[in-house]
Amino acid sequence: AQSVTQPDIHITVSEGASLELRCNYSYGATPYLFWYVQSPGQGLQLLLKYFSGDTLVQGIKGFEAEFKRSQSSFNLRKPSVHWSDAAEYFCAVGNAGNMLTFGGGTRLMVKP
Amino acid sequence: KAGVTQTPRYLIKTRGQQVTLSCSPISGHRSVSWYQQTPGQGLQFLFEYFSETQRNKGNFPGRFSGRQFSNSRSEMNVSTLELGDSALYLCASSPRQGHSGANVLTFGAGSRLTVL
Repeated sequence: AQSVTQPDIHITVSEGASLELRCNYSYGATPYLFWYVQSPGQGLQLLLKYFSGDTLVQGIKGFEAEFKRSQSSFNLRKPSVHWSDAAEYFCAVGNAGNMLTFGGGTRLMVKP
Repeated sequence: KAGVTQTPRYLIKTRGQQVTLSCSPISGHRSVSWYQQTPGQGLQFLFEYFSETQRNKGNFPGRFSGRQFSNSRSEMNVSTLELGDSALYLCASSPRQGHSGANVLTFGAGSRLTVL
């Protein structure tokens, strides 16, 4: 069975600092990987996805993620965090279906 | 292009009642999936519909059901509500059926259900 682990429940960074959110997955085949962001009271917005090809993928809002098969990881990064990035971030793995398995989420707080 | 629309956004029910939630997918999207989000269990897949047929189902009791109409709009129903059914219910749409390949899901803002 597929699973996703986000080891950090909460992360606090200063505005302007760099950010890395960790994601580890367990899946038998080549996974489809996603990062979504959720602001309070809102649904999920797709930041980026990895299906195949280049293992470094670029997303919206200046985010990027790197797929590392050997480490079963898909960490999300941003070089300089803005106060508006405060939200909850979810990593997800999907099979060929529309059934996504989500990690528990990482809540990001940004200090001024 | 309108996004995924879920109604109602908020509702309060009491134990034992039933509830119906509605989801209108993005125009042209034929697949609709439902997810439950709770603080304790996180985001969990409920079911997926495509062409009015349930294609996949998550590990939820039979009290949770759904359907899809010919215009791709979907409803989910929860009968005999329990306190633990309090959650944010998210609907997502996709252009294609799940096993057609890697798809991107677009989520709605959700329906927040509180069971008293």
